[in-house]
Amino acid sequence: AQTVTQSQPEMSVQEAETVTLSCTYDTSESDYYLFWYKQPPSRQMILVIRQEAYKQQNATENRFSVNFQKAAKSFSLKISDSQLGDAAMYFCAYRILNRDDKIIFGKGTRLHILP
Amino acid sequence: GAVVSQHPSRVICKSGTSVKIECRSLDFQATTMFWYRQFPKKSLMLMATSNEGSKATYEQGVEKDKFLINHASLTLSTLTVTSAHPEDSSFYICSAFGAGINEQFFGPGTRLTVL
Repeated sequence: AQTVTQSQPEMSVQEAETVTLSCTYDTSESDYYLFWYKQPPSRQMILVIRQEAYKQQNATENRFSVNFQKAAKSFSLKISDSQLGDAAMYFCAYRILNRDDKIIFGKGTRLHILP
Repeated sequence: GAVVSQHPSRVICKSGTSVKIECRSLDFQATTMFWYRQFPKKSLMLMATSNEGSKATYEQGVEKDKFLINHASLTLSTLTVTSAHPEDSSFYICSAFGAGINEQFFGPGTRLTVL
């Protein structure tokens, strides 16, 4: 079975500090995308960052970066200089290429930002 | 980014009635749309994959006669919850995968409350 595991149901970080959210996944496929989505209280899903599995270089988007360890099937998200607006549910997810394009989500990590 | 709308944003209905939720891609053609269900403080659970002009593919455990999906055009998919019961109360989210756009875009969700 293809699964995504987020072992931290909740995390807190002080404003302006750095926090890392963990994610592991299990797949036998070699071509896939990995994602981190943010779901704020509005419940609109927002794509934070995307990583193509064939790329060794870790993706970065401003204050957000990932640590992609393909052999270990690990895909953590680092948020630098945390801001109050970063408070949300964060979902790790992946999609297998050239299959049915469906996204498999982890259970999520609720991130609290402490002022 | 591309925009996906859902209508209505929230609906309250009586037990036994049917409710239709629309998902529209506003500025791109969606070859595939997905329907998710999200319980409070839980992750997104994929219900079905909807391809334009063909029957939807339902995930295991999802009743196809209960949740009718129609993808009549490249910009519209509908989810009809038939004979709704209180246990069908949930947050329903659609996403659209664009032809030529290698990314999924999520709608804002529909909150269904069945009394």
